[in-house]
Amino acid sequence: GNSVTQMEGPVTLSEEAFLTINCTYTATGYPSLFWYVQYPGEGLQLLLKATKADDKGSNKGFEATYRKETTSFHLEKGSVQVSDSAVYFCALSHNQGGKLIFGQGTELSVKP
Amino acid sequence: DGGITQSPKYLFRKEGQNVTLSCEQNLNHDAMYWYRQDPGQGLRLIYYSQIVNDFQKGDIAEGYSVSREKKESFPLTVTSAQKNPTAFYLCASNMGGGAGNEQFFGPGTRLTVL
Repeated sequence: GNSVTQMEGPVTLSEEAFLTINCTYTATGYPSLFWYVQYPGEGLQLLLKATKADDKGSNKGFEATYRKETTSFHLEKGSVQVSDSAVYFCALSHNQGGKLIFGQGTELSVKP
Repeated sequence: DGGITQSPKYLFRKEGQNVTLSCEQNLNHDAMYWYRQDPGQGLRLIYYSQIVNDFQKGDIAEGYSVSREKKESFPLTVTSAQKNPTAFYLCASNMGGGAGNEQFFGPGTRLTVL
């Protein structure tokens, strides 16, 4: 069946460090891929998405590229800020009622 | 402003009681979803509805029930049959249709069973 695997957290970085959070997926065909962010005590917000192979999603300095050959959608940011501290979820949707399948989430903590 | 509201933000329940969580959206979305989030885990789908008066079970529907009598509303009832109901519950909606459509999330309800 369809599934998403993320790197385990927590990830702790210093401000202005480079961020990578790995995400790989298992699915037939061409799912849509998403990164959501959750700040403490809140719901999820869409960070970026990609709907076909080789698409790059980007938002707020974050980027991720849909790699069909490696079934990956790794999240990157060149210079993190303290305000980026949150939990990041990778997810896929395969047009089965628009349902999302989530990875387990990766907690990011950025220190000043 | 369009969005999704969930109430209450915190809910306490005694064992053996049913409790209903509210979810309302004014985005004119056709599809609505309920997810459960446990510490250190991803979100798991409880129920979803693609149209009024119709809904489907998700991956962990046992011990839960829903209704979809109005497009804007999708309440979730946590019944006494749910063995471990303490969790953070998130409601979401999207316009339906293809897999590329973003889901919009509410702020969540934290349920604690005493």
